[in-house]
Amino acid sequence: EDQVTQSPEALRLQEGESSSLNCSYTVSGLRGLFWYRQDPGKGPEFLFTLYSAGEEKEKERLKATLTKKESFLHITAPKPEDSATYLCAVQAGNNDMRFGAGTRLTVKP
Amino acid sequence: DAGITQSPRHKVTETGTPVTLRCHQTENHRYMYWYRQDPGHGLRLIHYSYGVKDTDKGEVSDGYSVSRSKTEDFLLTLESATSSQTSVYFCAISVTGADYGYTFGSGTRLTVV
Repeated sequence: EDQVTQSPEALRLQEGESSSLNCSYTVSGLRGLFWYRQDPGKGPEFLFTLYSAGEEKEKERLKATLTKKESFLHITAPKPEDSATYLCAVQAGNNDMRFGAGTRLTVKP
Repeated sequence: DAGITQSPRHKVTETGTPVTLRCHQTENHRYMYWYRQDPGHGLRLIHYSYGVKDTDKGEVSDGYSVSRSKTEDFLLTLESATSSQTSVYFCAISVTGADYGYTFGSGTRLTVV
């Protein structure tokens, strides 16, 4: 069965303190790995799609990387406005998208 | 949330009553999805639709039914609400073949008392 595990569950950082979020997955026939950002009371907002091991994508202070078993979301010099829950999801060959439980990031000024 | 509207945003209902949640899109996308989000479980797929009158079950479909009579509307019905269905429900659309993932609505917070 396809599985997605995110760690840590929660992460507290000081402004400017870089760190990484992890998404481990097992899936039959990966079609894509997705990262989303979710603010309280809102729906998830799409950030990145990664398709193959070795691929990297960047957006402002965020960089997503992918290996055959996991993906990392690196946050460089975070700001308080980066505080949110970050969700990882994998799309398998049957097109189903399976989500992890998320990492709740808090960035203190 | 551009192009997707969920209604109602909040609802409190009693156990055993039927409840219908509505998802409306303005972008004419073929694929629509209903998810529920609970602490510790993340988003779990309830049902999805790949066209008018074409629907299929997801991971947690028991106790839920859906209908899609028009491209723009996807309805989720709880035939007889139970406390275990207290959750936040999200509707999503996808653009087939595009590198954009899903676009989600703002959610409906449903409480069954």
